[in-house]
Amino acid sequence: QSALTQPASVSGSPGQSITISCTGTSSDVGSYNLVSWYQQHPGKAPKLMIYEGTERPSGVSNRFSGSKSANTASLTISGLQAEDEADYYCCSYAGSGAWVFGGGTELTLL
Amino acid sequence: QVQLVESGGALVKPGESLRLSCAASGFTFSDYYMSWVRQAPGKGLNWISYISSSGSSVYYADSVKGRFTVSRDNAKNSLYLQMNNLRAEDTALYYCVKTLTSGIPDYWGQGTLVSVSS
Repeated sequence: QSALTQPASVSGSPGQSITISCTGTSSDVGSYNLVSWYQQHPGKAPKLMIYEGTERPSGVSNRFSGSKSANTASLTISGLQAEDEADYYCCSYAGSGAWVFGGGTELTLL
Repeated sequence: QVQLVESGGALVKPGESLRLSCAASGFTFSDYYMSWVRQAPGKGLNWISYISSSGSSVYYADSVKGRFTVSRDNAKNSLYLQMNNLRAEDTALYYCVKTLTSGIPDYWGQGTLVSVSS
């Protein structure tokens, strides 16, 4: 149950696009279409932004999109806005009832 | 709307026990798997437990296996986490999490803080 690998931080200017990667293994990200992404603002609970790799829950902006290739999933945020500044976490099913999160990525707006 | 309210967090000494509760409302609790996820101060998210809708199947992270027990009471719309032999590294904010039908963690409570220190 090793954590998924995410960059510690990414940054972008308002209006730009950024992509956060989430690298796992053939036992988790590579084996299941059960990758999700969460946004967490300081002092708040995480919020689901993307599920099953590419799906957006109702109410989540279409500026958020997800993709997956082999053992790596990605979250892209387009048209960056001030309220997007937060921590982002990926999560994947790892088999046998276990789930694993990434270490988290801090998004900073320049 | 979905509401998850955790309770039971406290300051305890190493080796002691604690029971967390999560009161659920706004959805048909008995239809969904539930998870517990924790977050140490200033750190990332860590999945620790997952329970089926009926409670018949339970799963644990290696870090808590043998010490923590997850259970649920569908008649009371409640989820529980019994934590025994607590260690300093168990210090964290513990979140109760509703899952999607796929099992993906979906809606999160606000968390309850567990501190383990001598």
